[in-house]
Amino acid sequence: DADVTQTPRNRITKTGKRIMLECSQTKGHDRMYWYRQDPGLGLRLIYYSFDVKDINKGEISDGYSVSRQAQAKFSLSLESAIPNQTALYFCATSISNQPQHFGDGTRLSIL
Amino acid sequence: GENVEQHPSTLSVQEGDSAVIKCTYSDSASNYFPWYKQELGKRPQLIIDIRSNVGEKKDQRIAVTLNKTAKHFSLHITETQPEDSAVYFCAASTTDSWGKLQFGAGTQVVVTP
Repeated sequence: DADVTQTPRNRITKTGKRIMLECSQTKGHDRMYWYRQDPGLGLRLIYYSFDVKDINKGEISDGYSVSRQAQAKFSLSLESAIPNQTALYFCATSISNQPQHFGDGTRLSIL
Repeated sequence: GENVEQHPSTLSVQEGDSAVIKCTYSDSASNYFPWYKQELGKRPQLIIDIRSNVGEKKDQRIAVTLNKTAKHFSLHITETQPEDSAVYFCAASTTDSWGKLQFGAGTQVVVTP
């Protein structure tokens, strides 16, 4: 399902660097989400947005920030990356109270 | 906040047998329970969901049951096939916090021929 596109797909970077992960969607959904996935921990919500100008913290927002530049775009930033932020990051979208659809993920490694 | 526990963490079944994965939740206000399947290296994909106004839902070989009193819900896969091998995640949310899905830790299902 190429309707939710994440870039980059893979990224290796160093501690202290600023990183931006991008998500764009062509589904016309109003709601967008950022999750991280770690082995044995499932998917944990970082931030979510129900519309442009609406930003909400999720379960694990510390060390992250987001920007909803348009209805179709939702970016996740790591201001100063640290090794324990190494994970698989997923963007998801939904409309109203309908199921969430995930992008293909970004594998981020911080050395 | 909501807490979702999922068991077992791994499940090995013989092809053709049934698989059952169980999840419990803590927030009695939760009323939406989706199940996602994630194949190796792929995105999570919704396979079935249930809302609290029904007790069971079926879609071909997959079914989900919900016990609101006990606060648990289960995924049942019948006649398992090798392509059912994947990680399965349960999740829960409330209407008030729609979109704030709380996921279980996942179950690795391996179907052996």
